[in-house]
Formats: sequence, C-alpha cells, structure tokens
Amino acid sequence: AIWVTQSPSLLSASTGDRVTISCRVSQGISSYLAWYQQKPGKAPELLIYAASTLQGGVPSRFSGSGSGTVFTLTISYLQSEDFATYYCQQYFSFPHTFGGGTKVEIK
Amino acid sequence: QVQLVESGGGVVQPGGSLRLSCAASRFNFSDYAMHWVRQAPGKGLEWVAFIGYNGNNKYYVDSVKGRFTISRDNSKNTLYLQMNSVRPEDTAVYYCAQDGYSGRWYGPWGQGTLVTVSS
Repeated sequence: AIWVTQSPSLLSASTGDRVTISCRVSQGISSYLAWYQQKPGKAPELLIYAASTLQGGVPSRFSGSGSGTVFTLTISYLQSEDFATYYCQQYFSFPHTFGGGTKVEIK
Repeated sequence: QVQLVESGGGVVQPGGSLRLSCAASRFNFSDYAMHWVRQAPGKGLEWVAFIGYNGNNKYYVDSVKGRFTISRDNSKNTLYLQMNSVRPEDTAVYYCAQDGYSGRWYGPWGQGTLVTVSS
C-alpha cells in the first residue's frame, strides 16, 4: 500500500492568515491526489482533486499544488468557517489511503 | 442534490455480523461506482471498499478482506456492506460515498452510521 504522511498534525492560526498543509506519499502518484475538509460531527467534503482542481462551489482561497510525491494545500486567507480538519488521499492505486489529518485551530 | 443515507449500524459482539445499507437518491445510482470509508472514534479516515457501477469490480482494504463484502442493488438504489467476523478494531462511523470519477476521489458522502463492536 502507498503511505501518505501529512504535516503538521495540528496548526494554530488566526483569521486572515495564509496556511499551508503538506502531504507526502511513499511513491510517485503523478497528480492522483485529493483533499477533503471535515468539520466536527460531519462527513468529509471534497475540496480538491487531481492535486490542483477545485471542486465546484469551493472558495478560490483554497488551492492545491504538487505532483509525484509532494503535495500542498494552501488556504490563502483563512476564514472562520475554515477551522476544521483536512485530509489528503491518494487514489493512484487500491487500497486508497489517507493522510492522518491536519487540524486547523484558532490561535 | 445527491442524497446518501446510511443505516444498519449498532452494537455487535466480536465475531458477529452486521449489514450496512446506503440508500441513494437524486442521482442515477446505476451510473456511479461507490465506496465505503470508515472513521474510528477520534481517528482519521480509512477507505474500506469500492464497487463498480455494475457491481463487477470490487476492491477491499487488506484488514477486511475475507470478512466484509460490498454489494449493490441498482434496482433499489442501494449500496450494502456485509460485515462478518467483526472485531473491536472495526468500531467506527461508516460512510458511503459516491465515486467522483473512475474509482478515484469521492464526491458526496452520507452522514455515516456508527458500528460499535463490543461484548
């Protein structure tokens, strides 16, 4: 299975900050990576697929980049509704695997 | 708007069985592959199983192979997960999710159903 490592696991930030979350995978996966946002008690929601393609309806302050083994999710101007946990997921091959998650909390 | 509603969760003893259902509506279910994803209490996400749009292709995470079976009934717009020989480590919220494209990312998710394996 392909391992997926996210960092940091916890990120303290303030509204208006620019935040970056990193995702590394154990082997090259081209751009076969997605990002999800999960709020407490809710199901995850798709933000980005194909490493950098924004899902419809997702605000443009979210962006994704990277290919191969290193990927990044950036929130350019953190809003109050963005405090949540974020997961990356590789779908290059089965079994699909997720990173451990990054919780973005209020500083 | 796509609607996915899971049911069938509950408390089950180790070694027991449970069948989860996911009722789909507001989209053409038979056109879409589907996934099950789970989340243990306070933990991260774990993909569990995939089934193709017509039920012909199935994949599982190693930890459930031989114990869980994914299936679907397109005439009833329903996805299933038959869970046999359950273990305490299977305790989790189980989500069904619509496949985004050809077994890749996950589109809309259901609200989840909690399975607790305990004696």
